Amino acid sequence: DIVMTQTPLSLSVTPGQPASISCKSSQSLLYTNGETYLYWYLQKPGQPPQLLIHEVSNRFSGVPDRFSGSGSGTDFTLEISRVEAEDVGVYYCMQSIQLPLTFGQGTKVEI
Amino acid sequence: QVQLQQSGPGLVKPSETLSLTCSVSGGSIGSTNHYWGWIRQTPGKGLEWIGSIYYGGITSYNPSLKSRVTISVDTSKNQFSLRLSSVTAADTAVYYCARPFRNNGYCGFDPWGQGTLVTVSS
Repeated sequence: DIVMTQTPLSLSVTPGQPASISCKSSQSLLYTNGETYLYWYLQKPGQPPQLLIHEVSNRFSGVPDRFSGSGSGTDFTLEISRVEAEDVGVYYCMQSIQLPLTFGQGTKVEI
Repeated sequence: QVQLQQSGPGLVKPSETLSLTCSVSGGSIGSTNHYWGWIRQTPGKGLEWIGSIYYGGITSYNPSLKSRVTISVDTSKNQFSLRLSSVTAADTAVYYCARPFRNNGYCGFDPWGQGTLVTVSS
C-alpha cells in the first residue's frame, strides 16, 4: 500500500495569516499519462470530507482561490494564503494512483 | 446534482454482518461510468477506503477487508450496498458512501453520503 504522511498533525493559525500542510507519499503518484493522482480534502466537524484540490493543483468547483496545491512525484503541499475562521477542520491528502486508495492521517487546523 | 443518502442500523452485534445502503438521487447509477465507493473513518486508523463498485458490478476491495466485504449495486433501486461480515469492535466506525467526481476511474470523491456511525457491541 502507498503510505501517505502528513505534517504537521496539528496547526494553530491566526486569521489572515498563511498556512501550509505537507503530504509525502511512499511512492510516486505520477502516472504514465502525465497526471499525478493526489487530492486534498477538508473535513469540518460533523461533516464528511469535502474535496478541495484534485490532481495536485486544481481547485474543485466552488473552492475559494485562497486554497492552492503544489508538488510533484512524492512531495505535495496545500497552502491557504489567508486563513479564515471557516477553514478550521482536519485536512487530508489522498492518492488514487494505486489500489487500495489511501489517505494521510490528517492535519487538524485550529484558530 | 447527485446526492447520496445512507441508511442502515447504527448498532451491530459482534460476529454479525454490517449492512448499509446508499441511495442515489439526482442521477442514475446505471447511466454513468462511476466507481461508487465506501469509506470508513475511525479515530485510530483515520480514513480507510473499503472498496468500490462499477455500475456493471465490477468490484475492487481493500485487501485488508476483502475476505469480509461485499459491495453490490441495484440499478433498479438506484442504490448500492455494503456488507461487512464477522464484525468486531475494531469495525466500529463512521461509514461513508461516496462517488468519484469524475467517471471512468478512481479520483477524488465528491459527493459523499452523510455518514453512518456503526457501533459493534453486544
